[in-house]
Amino acid sequence: DQQVKQNSPSLSVQEGRISILNCDYTNSMFDYFLWYKKYPAEGPTFLISISSIKDKNEDGRFTVFLNKSAKHLSLHIVPSQPGDSAVYFCAASAGTDKLIFGTGTRLQVFP
Amino acid sequence: EAQVTQNPRYLITVTGKKLTVTCSQNMNHEYMSWYRQDPGLGLRQIYYSMNVEVTDKGDVPEGYKVSRKEKRNFPLILESPSPNQTSLYFCASSSLAGPYNEQFFGPGTRLTVL
Repeated sequence: DQQVKQNSPSLSVQEGRISILNCDYTNSMFDYFLWYKKYPAEGPTFLISISSIKDKNEDGRFTVFLNKSAKHLSLHIVPSQPGDSAVYFCAASAGTDKLIFGTGTRLQVFP
Repeated sequence: EAQVTQNPRYLITVTGKKLTVTCSQNMNHEYMSWYRQDPGLGLRQIYYSMNVEVTDKGDVPEGYKVSRKEKRNFPLILESPSPNQTSLYFCASSSLAGPYNEQFFGPGTRLTVL
């Protein structure tokens, strides 16, 4: 039972345009959501998070949107840069319970 | 430099030969965790530890052991590895003083069990 789903395994975007990565979840008890970014041969690095009491959190070029009624999370990257090419994992937790990760979306930003 | 280190980075072994993957962090973090990453399955938690001498099972603990005798170290032990434990393993740590799910990850250990 995949509680956190990233239905798009890959996404290709032109440099300078917006990248939108999506994530759906099934557990209504999740109250904290995170995005991690992973380059090849490295561990994931924390990118941005959002609490369930908010519907938007912004950090520079990265914005995460949360739609609790739809159980949907999205990460917007504007403008996209070639260095953003990586695998992005969505993750969620309920209270102090463990993190549940999605399967990842590979983003490629081309010139 | 704040970091999580894992050793070895790559390991090829045979079925049944006990092995240990070490994990160490220099950030004085209370929380440490082990994950495995498999194609199409994302990252799944194996074991975690909230502090010294406190460990608990994650989603996929079968076939693994851990110990937390010191705050900085959290080794992962495979007593009798099997081919289905071939995977990419990550250790992670975080402070319980903040959002503890904002974890720092090590570089990964790619394990192949023949």
